[in-house]
Amino acid sequence: EPEVTQTPSHQVTQMGQEVILRCVPISNHLYFYWYRQILGQKVEFLVSFYNNEISEKSEIFDDQFSVERPDGSNFTLKIRSTKLEDSAMYFCASRLLMGTEAFFGQGTRLTVV
Amino acid sequence: DQQVKQNSPSLSVQEGRISILNCDYTNSMFDYFLWYKKYPAEGPTFLISISSIKDKNEDGRFTVFLNKSAKHLSLHIVPSQPGDSAVYFCAAREEGAQKLVFGQGTRLTINP
Repeated sequence: EPEVTQTPSHQVTQMGQEVILRCVPISNHLYFYWYRQILGQKVEFLVSFYNNEISEKSEIFDDQFSVERPDGSNFTLKIRSTKLEDSAMYFCASRLLMGTEAFFGQGTRLTVV
Repeated sequence: DQQVKQNSPSLSVQEGRISILNCDYTNSMFDYFLWYKKYPAEGPTFLISISSIKDKNEDGRFTVFLNKSAKHLSLHIVPSQPGDSAVYFCAAREEGAQKLVFGQGTRLTINP
């Protein structure tokens, strides 16, 4: 069964460093998302991406964040200068053009120290 | 901003019995509702969904009920199995929007 894959599974970084989280969405999906879950809190929407541009973003997704689809298969989330409060599980998701349910990857645990 | 609320942080049910997970929402613009299941160290897995034009959707052991006037939905699992032990998230989407708004989750434990 096709699945969304994310790498790495765990990333530890120093405050102020840049990190790139990587995702390979399901191949025939056209909408891509990033969500995050801070420990003990809700899953929160960050950004959606369609047709090579951001289609929607949350207040969390400020200038420190960016997304890119560098080739036909990868979808990345970059955090330019990480802060302690960026520590969270980051989930990538994708869905079909006409679908409604998003399919999630297993997540990347980001720890900022 | 708690547009989607799951007021029970945990629920314990005996194997073979019915599990009922509840979710309330405040945003009348939501037109689509989903339930996800999450195991530790994994991403949310889609379970079942319902459009706001329906009041019930069934898929095997899982049934979702929607009461629009009460802004309430519930997920019924029957019969409950040990593998159903997980955190269950209710999520909702506004018409025309991309993002899903999640509830806090309910941890379901199925006891043998």
